[in-house]
Amino acid sequence: AQSVTQLGSHVSVSEGALVLLRCNYSSSVPPYLFWYVQYPNQGLQLLLKYTSAATLVKGINGFEAEFKKSETSFHLTKPSAHMSDAAEYFCAVSRPRSGGYNKLIFGAGTRLAVHP
Amino acid sequence: EAGVTQFPSHSVIEKGQTVTLRCDPISGHDNLYWYRRVMGKEIKFLLHFVKESKQDESGMPNNRFLAERTGGTYSTLKVQPAELEDSGVYFCASSRGDLNYGYTFGSGTRLTVV
Repeated sequence: AQSVTQLGSHVSVSEGALVLLRCNYSSSVPPYLFWYVQYPNQGLQLLLKYTSAATLVKGINGFEAEFKKSETSFHLTKPSAHMSDAAEYFCAVSRPRSGGYNKLIFGAGTRLAVHP
Repeated sequence: EAGVTQFPSHSVIEKGQTVTLRCDPISGHDNLYWYRRVMGKEIKFLLHFVKESKQDESGMPNNRFLAERTGGTYSTLKVQPAELEDSGVYFCASSRGDLNYGYTFGSGTRLTVV
């Protein structure tokens, strides 16, 4: 069975500081991995995805994540936090089934606060 | 391109009543998904349509939930009768193909059962 663990339900950083949101997964087959962000009163927006190509994936808004198979991790980073990054972030995994990769398994989410 | 539209955005109903949520996917997207987030828990998959057919409904919690997708266009999710534990945010997403193409999520419907 697949699962996703996000370490830390709340993370607080100063503006300009490094953002590190942790995600570990379990999957019996090579997975696809995703990070989504939800801003208040909005839907989920895709930040980036890993689909078995390059292990370092760059996404929107300066975020990136590295797939580390040996550590079963897919941590999300951004070198310098901005106030507008305050949101809830979700890590998700998908594995192939008949018809392709369709179903997402989400972690519990990490709420990021950015303070001046 | 218009996004995925869900309505209502909020619904407050009493236990035992019926509620119908609607999702309008992006035009041309054959794949439509429903997810929900119960308060404080993970976002969980409910089901997946390809056009009007249910491809995977393994996440539907019980037979009080009925999803339909008329003519492969918009979809409805009916909860009848609603229970307190059904409260949460219901998300819809659509895509042209599988996750290689990416999903587009709607803003969700916040359902509160009192």
